[in-house]
Amino acid sequence: GAVVSQHPSRVICKSGTSVKIECRSLDFQATTMFWYRQFPKQSLMLMATSNEGSKATYEQGVEKDKFLINHASLTLSTLTVTSAHPEDSSFYICSARDLGRGGYEQYFGPGTRLTVT
Amino acid sequence: SQQGEEDPQALSIQEGENATMNCSYKTSINNLQWYRQNSGRGLVHLILIRSNEREKHSGRLRVTLDTSKKSSSLLITASRAADTASYFCATADSGSARQLTFGSGTQLTVLP
Repeated sequence: GAVVSQHPSRVICKSGTSVKIECRSLDFQATTMFWYRQFPKQSLMLMATSNEGSKATYEQGVEKDKFLINHASLTLSTLTVTSAHPEDSSFYICSARDLGRGGYEQYFGPGTRLTVT
Repeated sequence: SQQGEEDPQALSIQEGENATMNCSYKTSINNLQWYRQNSGRGLVHLILIRSNEREKHSGRLRVTLDTSKKSSSLLITASRAADTASYFCATADSGSARQLTFGSGTQLTVLP
């Protein structure tokens, strides 16, 4: 149990275009999902906390108009990178907490590798 | 911001040896967790230790927590080549237990 999927796993896009990444909790409900960004050989940086039915909470320095987050249901959150630039190229990972388990563990998706050319 | 510092940044050992990784943090925490990440993949939760616990075991993993020193260690005993991965500690603050702050990570290489 507690499986989180991400789609797509890899995406290449041109500068100026937008890319949507989906994060789904497959076998549990998640009122809260988290979006992270990871550069090569570095740690995870929390970008935003996504709450079902409300606006996301962004970390300092993260542009909310550039990284649009929608958490429309208890099993799906999406991250849209708008007007992508090469510096947005990174590994994006989502995670979710399992309400039913009531614990503090986060379950991570496999990540999405974004390359902007 | 990243509050966790891990050392060493990289560790290379022979199969069968034990591997110890350390993590230090700065704030008051609710719990500390260790995660593993294989190259280019997502994170896998390994173990969680609460602020009122000092030691926890799970299979070949042993985690200690010293809240007075704001530090934790992860010991992997009898390492295997398949243990090769990056290991991250992550803290859940007392005030905001939902969010995790990740350490810088240790890259472990276990040589066959």
